[in-house]
This record gives sequence, C-alpha cells and structure tokens, in this order.
Amino acid sequence: DGGITQSPKYLFRKEGQNVTLSCEQNLNHDAMYWYRQDPGQGLRLIYYSQIVNDFQKGDIAEGYSVSREKKESFPLTVTSAQKNPTAFYLCASSSGTGGSPEAFFGQGTRLTVV
Amino acid sequence: AQSVTQLGSHVSVSEGALVLLRCNYSSSVPPYLFWYVQYPNQGLQLLLKYTSAATLVKGINGFEAEFKKSETSFHLTKPSAHMSDAAEYFCAVSASGYNKLIFGAGTRLAVHP
Repeated sequence: DGGITQSPKYLFRKEGQNVTLSCEQNLNHDAMYWYRQDPGQGLRLIYYSQIVNDFQKGDIAEGYSVSREKKESFPLTVTSAQKNPTAFYLCASSSGTGGSPEAFFGQGTRLTVV
Repeated sequence: AQSVTQLGSHVSVSEGALVLLRCNYSSSVPPYLFWYVQYPNQGLQLLLKYTSAATLVKGINGFEAEFKKSETSFHLTKPSAHMSDAAEYFCAVSASGYNKLIFGAGTRLAVHP
C-alpha cells in the first residue's frame, strides 16, 4: 500500500530538548515537504527537498533542521531554538518537477511542549 | 511568487444547501490549483486539482471548482451539503513545473440539520 507514514502520532517534548519527527514515503516521489499547522493560520512551509542530499528553507525554518539522505525519508528535527514548537506537523511528498503536481500528505504528528 | 486568500474562515450551511467556499489566488506564472479537505487530527486529502486543462474541475464527494483567470478565482462548490462534509478546507497554489504548494488559511465548514 503506497503512502506517507509519519511517526509518532503524538509527541511530548520538555523545554530545551531536541526531538525528531519521522516521515517515510514509498511513492517513489522526488519532492518532500514539512509543514506546520496552527489554528487559523493554515499550513506554513518549514523545509522542502526536491532531490536527495538537497533541501531548501521554507517560510518558517528557524529552529528546525532536516536531512535528506535517502529518497524515501525526510526527518524533521525541532531544536531547542524553536521557541514555540507546540503545533501539528504535516509531511507531504509529490512526484517533483514535470510530474503530477499534487502533494500527498501523511497523517501528521502533534507535538506538545510540557 | 504565489499566494492564496480564502474568504471566510468559517462557513455554516444547512444540510441539503449549496456549499460555496471562496478562493482567490495570485501567481506570476500559470498556476496549478488545488482543494484539500482535512478532518480533525488527520492529514490532508486531495479533493480536486486544476492543471490547465478543463476550467471546470470535478472532484471527489460531489465537489467541483471552476478556474476563472479573469477573476483569479478557484471557488469550491457542492450542490447539496451532507453532514459528513463538515471539515476544514484548504485552497493551495503552485507554479507550473515547480511543486512547492502555498496554502490559504483554511475555511471551516459546519453543516447543521
């Protein structure tokens, strides 16, 4: 069954800790994305990657880091520098330039700072 | 650069009534346009997409949208609302050949009996 898997579904972080959110896809997509969702603000782009070993900052990259060592995987680390990390995080993928343009989404990870 | 404006953060309709969710976009290149639906604590599901073919696009669950270049709009409609349509709806835009999606702030649709 093809799709995008995000884990964990719920994550609790103590202040000052780094945490890593997992995103894996088996759709053979080139492009992957991380979005942050807060109530009333829609989805804001954190980072995106269009090819392995390359990624670009989105609109709200401060306090986050990513890697893209494998085509299937695009983990997001929320660092202690992110002052307000409590949010719903969504990972997505798309086929990339020239392919069908829509993005497919995972089920999300809800991160709460305790 | 691309941007999306969704008019109305909350829309409420009666069951069986017309659903109209408004989306206006800005794009410096011919756009791809999308409508997604989100149920609580879930990811986004694609309802329909416009990719420069037919301007009237039909999607899942009886939804459709019409691309109007002169009005830079891509409004979502459904002739008869069902209780199960209650959810949050997002309009999104991306530039042709480059797939970064830019989202609107979302519209929460409530359907009452």
